[in-house]
Amino acid sequence: GQSLEQPSEVTAVEGAIVQINCTYQTSGFYGLSWYQQHDGGAPTFLSYNALDGLEETGRFSSFLSRSDSYGYLLLQELQMKDSASYFCAPRNRDDKIIFGKGTRLHILP
Amino acid sequence: DGGITQSPKYLFRKEGQNVTLSCEQNLNHDAMYWYRQDPGQGLRLIYYSQIVNDFQKGDIAEGYSVSREKKESFPLTVTSAQKNPTAFYLCASSISATSGSNEQYFGPGTRLTVT
Repeated sequence: GQSLEQPSEVTAVEGAIVQINCTYQTSGFYGLSWYQQHDGGAPTFLSYNALDGLEETGRFSSFLSRSDSYGYLLLQELQMKDSASYFCAPRNRDDKIIFGKGTRLHILP
Repeated sequence: DGGITQSPKYLFRKEGQNVTLSCEQNLNHDAMYWYRQDPGQGLRLIYYSQIVNDFQKGDIAEGYSVSREKKESFPLTVTSAQKNPTAFYLCASSISATSGSNEQYFGPGTRLTVT
């Protein structure tokens, strides 16, 4: 079967660092993507990990451990504009991207 | 400008009517997708197409139909058989469903309300 778990909400302070965890179970696994979605908007692609380890893109980093079926998104130097929902999205062997319910990130000033 | 467009942004229909949502892309992408998003929920896959004249059912295809007669276009029809059609509908495209990250580019969405 397929399952995807990430926290429903996370709150952090502006300027801080926050980590959003994701565990997944899919029918075959090729890699893990992360998407950001602001309220009322469309999701936008942030990162993709096919191999174990950390990928860094500016203030955002994403980590994958294939053996643990686990990944996380790390956001540094948080800004108010980072308030959004974040979706981890594994790609399965049918080449589909599986989107979970996402994590709503609240940033406090 | 290259991109993916959906129209209209808001759509209102009476129960029992079929309605077609438009999705067009000029990114020269092979793959296109339709998702449904309900409040506070994730995205659920309705239909996807990896190539022109071919499409597959996603996880919640019942009550929906699609066509892919042109590479650029992937319209979605919400039929009267869909029991709970009010939702935010998102169309996406990717270069290819089988390569790399399958990074998907999303349109702005259509918010459908059926009363």
